[in-house]
Amino acid sequence: EVQLVESGGVVVQPGGSLRLSCAASGFTFDDYSMSWVRQAPGKGLEWVSLTSWDGGSTYYADSVKGRFTISRDNRKNSLYLQMNSLRAEDTALYFCAKGVGRFLEWRDPFDFWGQGTMVTVSS
Amino acid sequence: DIQMTQSPSTLSASVGDRVTITCRASQNIGEWLAWYQQKPGKTPKLLIYKTSNLESGVPSRFSGSGFGTEFTLTISSLQPDDFATYFCQQYNTYWTFGQGTKVEIK
Repeated sequence: EVQLVESGGVVVQPGGSLRLSCAASGFTFDDYSMSWVRQAPGKGLEWVSLTSWDGGSTYYADSVKGRFTISRDNRKNSLYLQMNSLRAEDTALYFCAKGVGRFLEWRDPFDFWGQGTMVTVSS
Repeated sequence: DIQMTQSPSTLSASVGDRVTITCRASQNIGEWLAWYQQKPGKTPKLLIYKTSNLESGVPSRFSGSGFGTEFTLTISSLQPDDFATYFCQQYNTYWTFGQGTKVEIK
């Protein structure tokens, strides 16, 4: 059974930093791209970042480019999101999500999602 | 950036109704469109990928169609379990979601 478990969400002040983690199990982690997607309270879904299966390619939404860094450790079956220079508008539930196709990064939707970890940016 | 616009934002319907949700892309995305279902407090569930392909385990009352810039999700006979919010997602160029359509009980 595929499981994705996020952690690391807390209340942080504007300008602060945070590192989110996602522990994966139940599938061959290093065969699939992984993404972070966020959802502000009561709002829709916003894709944040994606890393290819081997970590060699990374992509970011314009809203986080230059502030967030996605990474993965395939030995630990883990995905990370380093978040710097946090803003109030980054407040959201952050999901990690698995790509559908093996060794794909482009043109690939998401088939499994974690339960999310809440990040609140507030003074 | 590709923008995705769903309509309607809210849809009131009864069990047994045929329901259609529309998603429009700001530019041509070919067939690279997915639909997700999300219930309150739950994670999104992939229903349909590549416009019309049903994800494993998804009931056949769900169907998708379209190409290019206009797409639809149809539920042929709405069931109690289907009351939820539905999101479209383009994955032709990066990944963008529509704002969601809430299907509520009439």
